[in-house]
Amino acid sequence: GENVEQHPSTLSVQEGDSAVIKCTYSDSASNYFPWYKQELGKGPQLIIDIRSNVGEKKDQRIAVTLNKTAKHFSLHITETQPEDSAVYFCAASIGNYQLIWGAGTKLIIKP
Amino acid sequence: EADIYQTPRYLVIGTGKKITLECSQTMGHDKMYWYQQDPGMELHLIHYSYGVNSTEKGDLSSESTVSRIRTEHFPLTLESARPSHTSQYLCASSGGGEAFFGQGTRLTVV
Repeated sequence: GENVEQHPSTLSVQEGDSAVIKCTYSDSASNYFPWYKQELGKGPQLIIDIRSNVGEKKDQRIAVTLNKTAKHFSLHITETQPEDSAVYFCAASIGNYQLIWGAGTKLIIKP
Repeated sequence: EADIYQTPRYLVIGTGKKITLECSQTMGHDKMYWYQQDPGMELHLIHYSYGVNSTEKGDLSSESTVSRIRTEHFPLTLESARPSHTSQYLCASSGGGEAFFGQGTRLTVV
């Protein structure tokens, strides 16, 4: 079946450094790729998304890049801060607005 | 802020009991979802609905059932709870594109 692979499973970076999380997807028909942040005790919350007609999207310290040919997309967080510590999930659309989810990346920001 | 609510937030219940987890959204979204998630781990889709009177099973086999009699309401029922059902249950809704999640119900079956 369709799947999304996400790496790494855990990422530890020094405060102020950049963090990059990568995902690959299998369904060539996928056209919507969101990233969610989940803080402890809360549901996931959308932080940025990208559609297949765009190669890159930025929102302040967060950016997402998409390579449709290679079927992979990445989340970039610059100037990381302690509040960026959370679990991040990528997803890819399949069919009628269903999402296939990556396994998650635990991001740890070291002071 | 998303207008999707789950109750209860926490539930501890004995084996064999019947329970219903509530989920309501006020955004008028057609699509609603139930996920099972161990804390900080993968999201597993167990049920979804594309509108009133539409329900489908997700990828993860589940002994739960759902109903969608009203657009805003998507309850999940376990007829006989077991310790293996101990987990977090997340409800989400979508109008197409972004999915909005509730805070989750942490279920413990003893």
